[in-house]
Amino acid sequence: EPEVTQTPSHQVTQMGQEVILRCVPISNHLYFYWYRQILGQKVEFLVSFYNNEISEKSEIFDDQFSVERPDGSNFTLKIRSTKLEDSAMYFCASSVQGWNEQFFGPGTRLTVL
Amino acid sequence: GQQLNQSPQSMFIQEGEDVSMNCTSSSIFNTWLWYKQDPGEGPVLLIALYKAGELTSNGRLTAQFGITRKDSFLNISASIPSDVGIYFCAGPTSGTYKYIFGTGTRLKVLA
Repeated sequence: EPEVTQTPSHQVTQMGQEVILRCVPISNHLYFYWYRQILGQKVEFLVSFYNNEISEKSEIFDDQFSVERPDGSNFTLKIRSTKLEDSAMYFCASSVQGWNEQFFGPGTRLTVL
Repeated sequence: GQQLNQSPQSMFIQEGEDVSMNCTSSSIFNTWLWYKQDPGEGPVLLIALYKAGELTSNGRLTAQFGITRKDSFLNISASIPSDVGIYFCAGPTSGTYKYIFGTGTRLKVLA
């Protein structure tokens, strides 16, 4: 069964460093998403992406964040200058349409020291 | 901003019991998704609902899309130890593809 994959599973970085989190969405899906989950809290929407552009973003998704689909399969989230409070699980998800079921990847645990 | 409130926040039940939980919003939703999350893993989709009043089952799980479109319910029948986890409702805010997640219901099953 097709699934969303994410790499790396765990990323440790120093405050102020740039990180890139990678995702491979399900191949026939057209909508892509990034979410964040701080330990013990609910899942929070960051951004949705369709047709090579951002369609929605939350207040969390400020200028430090960017997304890209560099080729036909990868979808990336870049954090330019990480802060301690960026430590969280980051999940990628994809869906066929923008209003229907989203399938999540296993997540990347980001630890900022 | 919009919020999805889930209740109960957590529950302990005996193996074999039925479980009910709900998700409510002050706004109308056109889609309700129910997910289960195990520790350290991504949410796994359980059931998707698209129409007010819709009742959908997936094995021992049944979910309903409330007729007011402001709530949804998830029932688990004859719970088993592997039902342990956090259950989240989610849906796109009206007119957007911006999904919000509920506060979660943590389920613990006592064998």
